[in-house]
Amino acid sequence: NAGVTQTPKFQVLKTGQSMTLQCAQDMNHEYMSWYRQDPGMGLRLIHYSVGAGITDQGEVPNGYNVSRSTTEDFPLRLLSAAPSQTSVYFCASSYQSLAGGVETQYFGPGTRLLVL
Amino acid sequence: GNSVTQMEGPVTLSEEAFLTINCTYTATGYPSLFWYVQYPGEGLQLLLKATKADDKGSNKGFEATYRKETTSFHLEKGSVQVSDSAVYFCALIDSGGSNYKLTFGKGTLLTVNP
Repeated sequence: NAGVTQTPKFQVLKTGQSMTLQCAQDMNHEYMSWYRQDPGMGLRLIHYSVGAGITDQGEVPNGYNVSRSTTEDFPLRLLSAAPSQTSVYFCASSYQSLAGGVETQYFGPGTRLLVL
Repeated sequence: GNSVTQMEGPVTLSEEAFLTINCTYTATGYPSLFWYVQYPGEGLQLLLKATKADDKGSNKGFEATYRKETTSFHLEKGSVQVSDSAVYFCALIDSGGSNYKLTFGKGTLLTVNP
């Protein structure tokens, strides 16, 4: 298994440009999420999905869109990039345990985004 | 809401020193608690976890005990190595059955010198 993969690894954008960060997992996990990591802030949840066709907002959703058409893929879209979106973005996936809670989240290697 | 507070770094130790990174939490339900580690240039990896009070998670010589009475999950290692240099994140998931949101602390940078 490849686990959680993310592309690209690094991207430079100009303010106002759009782009999509790709995330895929081959573990058949129901739950997927996007986090951003900023110095001194830890990781903050942007959006998450509990299954194909179901998405919801996290802590910092503004400026980002997501969709989940398949179990495997969970792309993150920036419609009009802003310098405040300069960050490292991590995708994660997990499955629901028999007890109903969420088990360990598996993280991708990250996408480093610079918005000029 | 849920929150995690961990000791601010950076923490610098000599090889074979004892390590403690403090972590306390606030949660509305009965959370599961995690320590994740991030090595330079990589994503996060699960280091250990505990799902109920008094559970002890352990891995690679690291340990943490879920203390409900003090709402704490401190990370310890008896003898650190240079290869342990990384950022360590304490985190929780509120195990209410439908809450999938992992809440992180801000991270603690550990540097171990030979």
